[in-house]
Amino acid sequence: EIVLTQSPGTLSLSPGERATLSCRASQSVSSNYLVWYQQKPGQAPRLLIYGASSRATGIPDRFSGSGSGTDFTLTISRLEPEDFAVYYCQHYGTSMHTFGQGTKLEIK
Amino acid sequence: QVQLVESGGGVVQPGMSLRLSCVASGFSLNNNGVHWVRQAPGKSLEWVAFIQNDGGLIYSADSVKGRFTISRDHSKSTVFLQMNSLRADDTAVYYCARDIWLLEWRFFDLWGRGSLVTVSS
Repeated sequence: EIVLTQSPGTLSLSPGERATLSCRASQSVSSNYLVWYQQKPGQAPRLLIYGASSRATGIPDRFSGSGSGTDFTLTISRLEPEDFAVYYCQHYGTSMHTFGQGTKLEIK
Repeated sequence: QVQLVESGGGVVQPGMSLRLSCVASGFSLNNNGVHWVRQAPGKSLEWVAFIQNDGGLIYSADSVKGRFTISRDHSKSTVFLQMNSLRADDTAVYYCARDIWLLEWRFFDLWGRGSLVTVSS
């Protein structure tokens, strides 16, 4: 079973700053199956990035994903007030689909 | 409007059963595989079960195997999650999510707003 570890657990930044969120897999995974979601309180998760680096429809270009193997990164270039939320990475497996524990991005 | 809507949640006692439904609006759910994902209060997301568009492939997490069953009714364009022998640690918001295979990529592109299941005596 692949375990995804996200860091940091909480990230405190100000609007306009750059956010870098990490997702580390317990073993090498295909970047085709590495996905990022955003979740705001009381809402369902929202697809941000698939294939490690492809933005989903309607996602602003300040969001970008990168990485391969075991190390993946979600970067938000300039934080907007609506970006403060919890971010999850996910590995789309063969018969199991694992989520990381999440990174909470909060306003400093 | 393209959306998924879950229903059927509620408060039940340990050992009891509940059936959740997932219905699509704005598109036909019959064309897609569907996942159930749950989120316990204050916790991360936990994948629960998957059913392929034609029902030919079904699999579930070890934590619910033998207790939860995913199924679908094409005539009603609905996906179900039958939950038996419920335990306190099954308490969560249950989301259904649309499965997407796009070229070499795989992901969940559309999620419902969730249905809360509370297991308590």
